Amino acid sequence: DAKTTQPPSMDCAEGRAANLPCNHSTISGNEYVYWYRQIHSQGPQYIIHGLKNNETNEMASLIITEDRKSSTLILPHATLRDTAVYYCIASSGYALNFGKGTSLLVTP
Amino acid sequence: EAQVTQNPRYLITVTGKKLTVTCSQNMNHEYMSWYRQDPGLGLRQIYYSMNVEVTDKGDVPEGYKVSRKEKRNFPLILESPSPNQTSLYFCASSSIRRGNTEAFFGQGTRLTVV
Repeated sequence: DAKTTQPPSMDCAEGRAANLPCNHSTISGNEYVYWYRQIHSQGPQYIIHGLKNNETNEMASLIITEDRKSSTLILPHATLRDTAVYYCIASSGYALNFGKGTSLLVTP
Repeated sequence: EAQVTQNPRYLITVTGKKLTVTCSQNMNHEYMSWYRQDPGLGLRQIYYSMNVEVTDKGDVPEGYKVSRKEKRNFPLILESPSPNQTSLYFCASSSIRRGNTEAFFGQGTRLTVV
């Protein structure tokens, strides 16, 4: 599976949009982009995934560039409860290779 | 409610005393896996199973065993635990339908081996 690169940490003010970038320049055509988050030491939680098109669900939006080399996870109105480590994963199968992720801190 | 249940949540044991961490899912998922999480090393896969009686090693399988006799259960067995297996463990399950592999994780088992 393709390696992904994320900034180690980001801050966001409560109520503002949080935009978390991910680089996956070596992604292959059959690999999906998945986003998970882990709040403190809880089990990782699925957020969203996509192949080529932008996706939106009740939690977030996923914007994938046309060349698929990068993507952005958007939390439209961040709350304090969104403080977590966010993982971007490229996978063609079932194994999830978690990197270091981005530690997002939402501040009041 | 869709869920993955691990037990116990916390366990302190002594070196060499065999233990089993149970994992059960109620979503009829084919794929199940175990991860360990250590500071600075992130989440690493220990073992996985594609279906009943089909298991395979992940990235860090040494010192662990698993079994998959029923679809819903995937226990993690430490035959002779050592202090370097002190870690936070997560079980996960997912469907194997391509493009629909949302994984569900258990709440974790914090294991301390002294």
